[in-house]
Amino acid sequence: LAKTTQPISMDSYEGQEVNITCSHNNIATNDYITWYQQFPSQGPRFIIQGYKTKVTNEVASLFIPADRKSSTLSLPRVSLSDTAVYYCLVGDDTGANNLFFGTGTRLTVIP
Amino acid sequence: EAQVTQNPRYLITVTGKKLTVTCSQNMNHEYMSWYRQDPGLGLRQIYYSMNVEVTDKGDVPEGYKVSRKEKRNFPLILESPSPNQTSLYFCASRTGGAVNEQFFGPGTRLTVL
Repeated sequence: LAKTTQPISMDSYEGQEVNITCSHNNIATNDYITWYQQFPSQGPRFIIQGYKTKVTNEVASLFIPADRKSSTLSLPRVSLSDTAVYYCLVGDDTGANNLFFGTGTRLTVIP
Repeated sequence: EAQVTQNPRYLITVTGKKLTVTCSQNMNHEYMSWYRQDPGLGLRQIYYSMNVEVTDKGDVPEGYKVSRKEKRNFPLILESPSPNQTSLYFCASRTGGAVNEQFFGPGTRLTVL
């Protein structure tokens, strides 16, 4: 499994766009990049997944450069309810085991 | 409603008293997992199951047992709980491969005195 590195924590004001970058230098050809969100005292929730270029859904955008050694989760105009821990996971579909979560990035949105 | 349920949600027990945390999913998922979450250590996988009667160790299996007799249920058993097993536990399920979306239960907060 490719190792990922992401900031431990970030602060942002309400209404701002937040970008969380994840580094995965050893990503393999078949690996996908997946992001989960976890609110306090709740289980993680899948938010977005991509393989290359850009993916957008109703919650976030995921930007993946051509070399795929990093990825950026973008949250537009955050609100207080976006305060959560965000996990970047990298892995392929071949194993039976699950992807490795790590400690994630704790985002705090400030009023 | 598609969901993963866990019971109990909160449990305080004493060292050595066997306990079981139940997990059930209604999505017909083949894969189920147990995680524990501790401050500064993130989510760590305890055990996982690829289907009925097929289970395997995750990253931190010591002190835990699991069983998968039915597709929908995946109980976590602590035969002799110790204080270092005080943690927040999550059950999860998914279909298909490892990159597919995992659905997590609400969590069980366990305290072992």
